[in-house]
Amino acid sequence: AQSVTQLDSQVPVFEEAPVELRCNYSSSVSVYLFWYVQYPNQGLQLLLKYLSGSTLVKGINGFEAEFNKSQTSFHLRKPSVHISDTAEYFCAFYGGSQGNLIFGKGTKLSVKP
Amino acid sequence: DAGITQSPRYKITETGRQVTLMCHQTWSHSYMFWYRQDLGHGLRLIYYSAAADITDKGEVPDGYVVSRSKTENFPLTLESATRSQTSVYFCASSDRGGSGANVLTFGAGSRLTVL
Repeated sequence: AQSVTQLDSQVPVFEEAPVELRCNYSSSVSVYLFWYVQYPNQGLQLLLKYLSGSTLVKGINGFEAEFNKSQTSFHLRKPSVHISDTAEYFCAFYGGSQGNLIFGKGTKLSVKP
Repeated sequence: DAGITQSPRYKITETGRQVTLMCHQTWSHSYMFWYRQDLGHGLRLIYYSAAADITDKGEVPDGYVVSRSKTENFPLTLESATRSQTSVYFCASSDRGGSGANVLTFGAGSRLTVL
């Protein structure tokens, strides 16, 4: 069965430190991969996406993610986080053209001063 | 205003009552979705619609009913609310073609409490 696993439910980090939020997926077909961010009391918004081409994808707010097919991973990174990056981050993928978006359970990033 | 709007944003109801959550989008996106968000479960798909008058079940459809008579509206009805349906509900839309292919745009959410 297709699934996506976010390995950390919570990630605390100090301001200006680097961060990596991990995501692994399970699918036997080609996938489209996404990271969404949810700020407190808001809906989700797209951070970045991988559809094809370069495996390093840059998104908004200085985030980037790298698609690794052999490891079936799509980890999200930022070299220096800000207080304003405190939010919940969701990894998601489409597996197959007729499938629907499958979400991970989310990782809560808490940036401390 | 362009966008996707949900109403009501907050709702408290009692067990057994019928509740309808509204969702309206202005982009004429063909696809619309309803998700629920619960602690420890992330987002789970309730129902989705590929076009007007076409709906299909998602991962957790039991206890919910949807309809889509117009492209822009996708209401979600809880026919007889239960406490387990206390959750935050998100509506989303998507246009599977073009440069925005496969990207979901979400509403701000409807927080439902069933007492």
